[in-house]
Amino acid sequence: DTGVSQDPRHKITKRGQNVTFRCDPISEHNRLYWYRQTLGQGPEFLTYFQNEAQLEKSRLLSDRFSAERPKGSFSTLEIQRTEQGDSAMYLCASSHPTVYEQYFGPGTRLTVT
Amino acid sequence: LAKTTQPISMDSYEGQEVNITCSHNNIATNDYITWYQQFPSQGPRFIIQGYKTKVTNEVASLFIPADRKSSTLSLPRVSLSDTAVYYCLVGGNTGFQKLVFGTGTRLLVSP
Repeated sequence: DTGVSQDPRHKITKRGQNVTFRCDPISEHNRLYWYRQTLGQGPEFLTYFQNEAQLEKSRLLSDRFSAERPKGSFSTLEIQRTEQGDSAMYLCASSHPTVYEQYFGPGTRLTVT
Repeated sequence: LAKTTQPISMDSYEGQEVNITCSHNNIATNDYITWYQQFPSQGPRFIIQGYKTKVTNEVASLFIPADRKSSTLSLPRVSLSDTAVYYCLVGGNTGFQKLVFGTGTRLLVSP
């Protein structure tokens, strides 16, 4: 068990470009979550998967954001036509079906210039 | 999910006990209280969870009074490596739970 991993750790992009982040959860965890964290704030929930099904999306997740979890394993979060306001840390977490505790990855820090 | 209020920051010295209090006046009957720790450039890490009275693990203790409208995270004999942001959250402890983080308490431990 190597924990939750995220790739890349850092991403710098120009406004208007598309970016995609990957999250690999702990292998036996069927629940996967995406959060976004801006400087000085706590993480904010974006979306949640149980296996391959996306069960909830926050209103924070505009139409430019899309998340997938094919085959119920890794997940990707894509942001289209990035804006400077998208600059943040994007965190992925996973949890076991019978346990409340969520395990977070190290995050992907996105900077939109 | 119940809203929480905690101090923005706290300062301490190595070897001291640190108590961080969280208010959650609107906690629901089936809500649990959970604390997470976050170091810079890392994701949050689960510390402890409780429902009532006192819970202790190898890292911290959690004190919850009978009315459950507040809780106190106690860190015994802090070290420099305990410098972090500590978040108090309330919510259910089964099934899907989107964690609702506040701004947390920034603890600075000095030598």
